[in-house]
Amino acid sequence: GAVVSQHPSRVICKSGTSVKIECRSLDFQATTMFWYRQFPKKSLMLMATSNEGSKATYEQGVEKDKFLINHASLTLSTLTVTSAHPEDSSFYICSATTGERRYSNQPQHFGDGTRLSIL
Amino acid sequence: AQSVTQLDSHVSVSEGTPVLLRCNYSSSYSPSLFWYVQHPNKGLQLLLKYTSAATLVKGINGFEAEFKKSETSFHLTKPSAHMSDAAEYFCVVSDTGSQGNLIFGKGTKLSVKP
Repeated sequence: GAVVSQHPSRVICKSGTSVKIECRSLDFQATTMFWYRQFPKKSLMLMATSNEGSKATYEQGVEKDKFLINHASLTLSTLTVTSAHPEDSSFYICSATTGERRYSNQPQHFGDGTRLSIL
Repeated sequence: AQSVTQLDSHVSVSEGTPVLLRCNYSSSYSPSLFWYVQHPNKGLQLLLKYTSAATLVKGINGFEAEFKKSETSFHLTKPSAHMSDAAEYFCVVSDTGSQGNLIFGKGTKLSVKP
C-alpha cells in the first residue's frame, strides 16, 4: 500500500521549453503533496507544499512563477517547470501524505523521482 | 530550529562486515527521527523511524538505530552488510509528532565491497 507514482522518470528537453511532472497517489487520497529538489551529491530541499484545491506554499527562494504547482485532485499533483534553463536541471522528487497539514503526523510516501536535463 | 548532521559523506565496508552510519541532530523539541535509503535514480524508502517510544528502533532489511538523547545521536547500524545495501542514506529530523516538516541530512553514500 501507499504507492506514489511519478512520471516521467527522465526527461531531456531544450532550453526555453516547459516541462510537466506528475505525481500520483495510487492507492490512497493525498491531501498534501510535497515537491523536493535534489542537486548532485546533495540532500533534498523542499520546494513547496501543496494541498488539494488550494494554492501551493513555496519555500523561501523558490520562484512560484517558475515552478507552477497544481494539486487539482486528491490523487494528482503536477509540477511544471516553465521556460526551463540548464540551471533547472536536477532530480525532482514528490511525496504524498494523507495528512491535512504540513505538520501532520501522517508519514510521507515518496515517488521514484524525475531526472530533468535541460540542454 | 531543527537540524541534522551526517558525519560521514562516504562509508565503505566489505560484504559481511558491520555497517555504522552516524547521525547527530539538533532540536528544540523532542524530535521524531528517521532514516531513509535512496538507490540510484530512485525515490526514498523509509528504513525506520523513532517517535519517542523505544530508543532502539528496528527497521527493514536488518537495519536498526538507537536514539541517544544525551549524545543527540541516532546512528544507523547493521550487523552484516550485503551488496544490495549499497545506496545513499539520509538521516531526517522532524518536529514532535510531525512527519510533514522533514529536515534532511546531506546523506551518506554506502559502498559495499565484495
